[in-house]
Formats: sequence, C-alpha cells, structure tokens
Amino acid sequence: DAKTTQPPSMDCAEGRAANLPCNHSTISGNEYVYWYRQIHSQGPQYIIHGLKNNETNEMASLIITEDRKSSTLILPHATLRDTAVYYCIVRVANGTASKLTFGTGTRLQVTL
Amino acid sequence: ETGVTQTPRHLVMGMTNKKSLKCEQHLGHNAMYWYKQSAKKPLELMFVYNFKEQTENNSVPSRFSPECPNSSHLFLHLHTLQPEDSALYLCASSQLPGLVPHEQFFGPGTRLTVL
Repeated sequence: DAKTTQPPSMDCAEGRAANLPCNHSTISGNEYVYWYRQIHSQGPQYIIHGLKNNETNEMASLIITEDRKSSTLILPHATLRDTAVYYCIVRVANGTASKLTFGTGTRLQVTL
Repeated sequence: ETGVTQTPRHLVMGMTNKKSLKCEQHLGHNAMYWYKQSAKKPLELMFVYNFKEQTENNSVPSRFSPECPNSSHLFLHLHTLQPEDSALYLCASSQLPGLVPHEQFFGPGTRLTVL
C-alpha cells in the first residue's frame, strides 16, 4: 500500500470547516483513499473513502486532486465531538481481507 | 446487540496468568482482525481471519494465540505476557473486499495492563 503523509496536528474553531490534508504521491491506479478517525481510547471509526471522484456523505466530504497525489477531508461544521485523530489510509482491493495500515494521523482539536 | 463488541473492556493480569479476549460481530461479516495500539504508537495489525481461516500473522509473538471458531467470534488467548504488552487491543470486522475494499468496523477495545 502507498505511504501517506499528514500534518501531526491541527486546530479548528467550532462551527468552522475543518480541512485535513493528506499526501499520497506514490498512490497506484487501483488504490483507494480511506479516512478513519479515532476519538480518545475508542476504536477507529470509518468516515469516507474514494478512488478519484470527490465524495460526500453525512459525515464529511473527500476532495481528491486530479493527479490523485493528495486529498483533503472536509468536516463542514466542526463540533467539539469531532476532536479526534484522523487517519488517511491508502488501500488496494485484491480479493482478500485487506489490512489497514495506520500512520500517526492528524490530531484535530476543535475549540470553542 | 449490534456492531462489534469486545469483552472485557479492561483487564489487569500478571505475567504468569492466562486470559482471553473475546470479540463478537453482529454484522454478518466474514473477515475479522486483531489490532494492537500501544501508547503513542500507531495501530498495528496482529492477525487477519477470512472465513475462520488465518490469512495473516504480522510476526506476533507466540504468547498471543488467536482463535476464530466461526465468522462471528474471534478470541485472543494470552499467556506469559510482558509489561510491554500493555496496550489497547482492538477487534474489527469487514466484508471480504471485491472490487472495492470494504470498510472495517471496530469494537471499543480491551485496555490490557500487564503487571
């Protein structure tokens, strides 16, 4: 799986959009970009994934650049409950259970 | 119960004890995973099971012994652990990926302390 690079930490004011960047410059054509988050001492939670088109769900939006070398997770209206470590992960579908390789992620702190 | 459950949520054991962690998924998935999260380190994959068969062992010491009796249950048997094995142990499940890798659903974890 391709390696990802994320900033170690970010702050965001409550109610504002949180934009979390991720670089994955060695991504292959059949690799998907996944985002998970982990609230303190809980299990990670799936947020969203995409291949090359932008995606949106009830939690967030995922913007993937045209060359697919980077992406941005957008939380449109951050709340205090969004304070967590956010992980950007690149995965390939190969017909067997594909593991998640977690990096150190971005620690997002949402403040009043 | 829904989702992925893990018991116990907290466990304190001595180095000579034998204990087991249990994971159960109610999602109809057919792949299950054990992860370890030590303090200030990324989550590390330990084991992967597809349809009850172990498909990956990420160089885990033999003092950790997984068991998957069916697609809904996963155990991690522990014996003669070391203090450095203290960590949050997370179980996850997913459908087997086809054209798209499926998201993994995680349990709340077991916080293990080895004295």
